[in-house]
Amino acid sequence: GAGVSQSPSNKVTEKGKDVELRCDPISGHTALYWYRQRLGQGLEFLIYFQGNSAPDKSGLPSDRFSAERTGESVSTLTIQRTQQEDSAVYLCASSLATEGVNEKLFFGSGTQLSVL
Amino acid sequence: GDSVTQMEGPVTLSEEAFLTINCTYTATGYPSLFWYVQYPGEGLQLLLKATKADDKGSNKGFEATYRKETTSFHLEKGSVQVSDSAVYFCALSDTPDMRFGAGTRLTVKP
Repeated sequence: GAGVSQSPSNKVTEKGKDVELRCDPISGHTALYWYRQRLGQGLEFLIYFQGNSAPDKSGLPSDRFSAERTGESVSTLTIQRTQQEDSAVYLCASSLATEGVNEKLFFGSGTQLSVL
Repeated sequence: GDSVTQMEGPVTLSEEAFLTINCTYTATGYPSLFWYVQYPGEGLQLLLKATKADDKGSNKGFEATYRKETTSFHLEKGSVQVSDSAVYFCALSDTPDMRFGAGTRLTVKP
């Protein structure tokens, strides 16, 4: 596609429910990132995928969070047993990331998650 | 680990005023440095970048110089416009992942 696509754009859920967020990166981009942006705060790194390498999960805040990516295509971020503190905008980005150096990230519009 | 610290906002300026948003970084290696901008209702997009010491990134009248001696990458613009109102994020990338600052909200009033 023309850009990074995320769905849904908004998600309201009840505390304790599981949610799944989807990201379609730009075709051909080998690197894919998930960030979390709480209201009024900066971007918090969650997880990074690069090609077929093992993902960098160092930013995931708890074992309730997990993410998968099939090859160099779609990624899903799953949050189990959601808590109110999980409410935030979840941003996905992709890049070419040639030679292990990041040149430019392209961001999606994000998913606004609200946990009631 | 690598990190970025940028000045807290919000920043409110009158049109044609001079803008500086401070950004300093901590890194063990030699990172590339970036400024991203998020206009109201839009996603983040790259504004400018610099990949090595003394490089100057520039775009849309904005400039930032990679200063290794002061570990800084301050964003400047000589004359801001109302359309520059946005949130600005400083970021660094030393490894393939990228780390962002907290963001600085700029409001420019006519």
